[in-house]
Amino acid sequence: AQSVTQLGSHVSVSEGALVLLRCNYSSSVPPYLFWYVQYPNQGLQLLLKYTTGATLVKGINGFEAEFKKSETSFHLTKPSAHMSDAAEYFCAVSYTGNQFYFGTGTSLTVIP
Amino acid sequence: GAVVSQHPSWVICKSGTSVKIECRSLDFQATTMFWYRQFPKQSLMLMATSNEGSKATYEQGVEKDKFLINHASLTLSTLTVTSAHPEDSSFYICSAPPGQEGYNSPLHFGNGTRLTVT
Repeated sequence: AQSVTQLGSHVSVSEGALVLLRCNYSSSVPPYLFWYVQYPNQGLQLLLKYTTGATLVKGINGFEAEFKKSETSFHLTKPSAHMSDAAEYFCAVSYTGNQFYFGTGTSLTVIP
Repeated sequence: GAVVSQHPSWVICKSGTSVKIECRSLDFQATTMFWYRQFPKQSLMLMATSNEGSKATYEQGVEKDKFLINHASLTLSTLTVTSAHPEDSSFYICSAPPGQEGYNSPLHFGNGTRLTVT
């Protein structure tokens, strides 16, 4: 069965430090990959996506992610954390476009 | 970009009453919409898939009679929580799949509805 694993339900970083949020998928067929951000009491906002082409994908707010097929990973990074980055982050995969699988989420705390 | 509007953003109701949540696609047609439930500090749990003009498809364990879904038009899907109880208190989010945009497009999410049953 397809699944998405986000290692680390909580991640804390200092302001200005590197942000690394991990996501791994389990399937033999590479899916379409997405990262979403959720602020309190709001829906999910797309950060970035990987479909085909360049494996390093740049998204909004300075985030980027790299698709590594050999590692079945799609980790999210940002060189320098900002206080406004504090939120819940979800990795998601899709194979057909009508069925999405979400990870359990990672709560990012930014320490001033 | 595609916009999904969800209303209301929050609602408080008394136990035993029913609450209707609306999800509208504002600038595109959505033949399918997903309804999710999210508990605090947890991921999204798919409740059901609504299909325009036909019955919704419910996930295992979701009570069809309690969570009534209607997809009356290509731009409107509704979720009605019937005879609500405190344990139904949660954050409900709707989304529309890429559809005609292509299978590699992201889901479009509403801003969610915070339901509190007293």
